[in-house]
Amino acid sequence: GAGVSQSPSNKVTEKGKDVELRCDPISGHTALYWYRQSLGQGLEFLIYFQGNSAPDKSGLPSDRFSAERTGGSVSTLTIQRTQQEDSAVYLCASSLVGGSGGAYEQYFGPGTRLTVT
Amino acid sequence: AQSVTQPDIHITVSEGASLELRCNYSYGATPYLFWYVQSPGQGLQLLLKYFSGDTLVQGIKGFEAEFKRSQSSFNLRKPSVHWSDAAEYFCAVGAHTGGFKTIFGAGTRLFVKA
Repeated sequence: GAGVSQSPSNKVTEKGKDVELRCDPISGHTALYWYRQSLGQGLEFLIYFQGNSAPDKSGLPSDRFSAERTGGSVSTLTIQRTQQEDSAVYLCASSLVGGSGGAYEQYFGPGTRLTVT
Repeated sequence: AQSVTQPDIHITVSEGASLELRCNYSYGATPYLFWYVQSPGQGLQLLLKYFSGDTLVQGIKGFEAEFKRSQSSFNLRKPSVHWSDAAEYFCAVGAHTGGFKTIFGAGTRLFVKA
């Protein structure tokens, strides 16, 4: 079946502009996650959705970052007034939640490489 | 607070040699533990996971990991490394914090020399 998809794959934007990054999770996965991976760094947790609600927004680095999820499926991460330090690869993942076995295993998309000039 | 430490930023091993990547975690309850691999230009792929039961877990590509509660460790091992194993490896712990999220370590980059 189809995996997690993200668009665009690459985005170059000027400092101060707003950007929207999109994530399409695996069908039937109720949990969706956003991470940021800066060059040579590990994964920084940004936000987690269970259905359309976000019980944990603690990882968003500033109020310029926001995310929403509609219909329990597609999610959009928006960065307003981008700064050069926002340059990174933004990864989306989805998972089944609840139970055992395959629960909590996250399936990752290919990422969106954001470059702020 | 939950945390994951991968003490080795990078490791170099010869092809055919054995491999052990270290991972230590901090979590108050029984953790869910994972190892992911990220090959150059590729997304992250799950190698193996531990939820409960047998503390030695087998994964894909010949990898295994052992959960040691007393040491708060979940080290990844492979008896014979192949050149294609060169990649970045991430250890992660699943945490319940009003929902569920995964905390990743900083990663260990594996280099394989011929």
